[in-house]
Amino acid sequence: RKEVEQDPGPFNVPEGATVAFNCTYSNSASQSFFWYRQDCRKEPKLLMSVYSSGNEDGRFTAQLNRASQYISLLIRDSKLSDSATYLCVVNPGGGADGLTFGKGTHLIIQP
Amino acid sequence: GAVVSQHPSWVICKSGTSVKIECRSLDFQATTMFWYRQFPKQSLMLMATSNEGSKATYEQGVEKDKFLINHASLTLSTLTVTSAHPEDSSFYICSATRQGAWEAFFGQGTRLTVV
Repeated sequence: RKEVEQDPGPFNVPEGATVAFNCTYSNSASQSFFWYRQDCRKEPKLLMSVYSSGNEDGRFTAQLNRASQYISLLIRDSKLSDSATYLCVVNPGGGADGLTFGKGTHLIIQP
Repeated sequence: GAVVSQHPSWVICKSGTSVKIECRSLDFQATTMFWYRQFPKQSLMLMATSNEGSKATYEQGVEKDKFLINHASLTLSTLTVTSAHPEDSSFYICSATRQGAWEAFFGQGTRLTVV
């Protein structure tokens, strides 16, 4: 079983729509969870961290379900500029451990 | 915010030559830096953990003699791809975490093409 698993997509979504995708992780002892965004041929950039209580940042909402070991990202009122690959990222041990990345979910917002 | 600078952004080299990639933390000290590799349509895969003043820790399957890592100061780590071959062509990216924090800051990445 892969450590961090995501549906690669692509998800083709009309502008203004709401889109959600999930990610599952295998290491139940994982400490920290994040969503990163990666544009084509660019470095990943932190979108938001994910907390058990759920957290919201503008149009983006992230949720963590430790019991089922999955993380979700919801994007409301999608914009053309949201087109990117969204990476589910897990820090298995916390602290200065290397991050474990999912393959990413490719999102395409269509006008 | 913290900035990590990586150079070069892209490099094309001949098979058999060596290529050095630099990763610098510009406004913070990083005792630990990480090197990742990303093949097309694949996830970022951790290659090694670079520790200032000590040997790097390599992930399983990564040849330490081929991918030389040097972390000589608190702001600089280098990755040297020795005797590069076409199958080493990939996107190499470093990251660093400020001490006591969790957010990873990434360099801009280096696209290596070996011909």
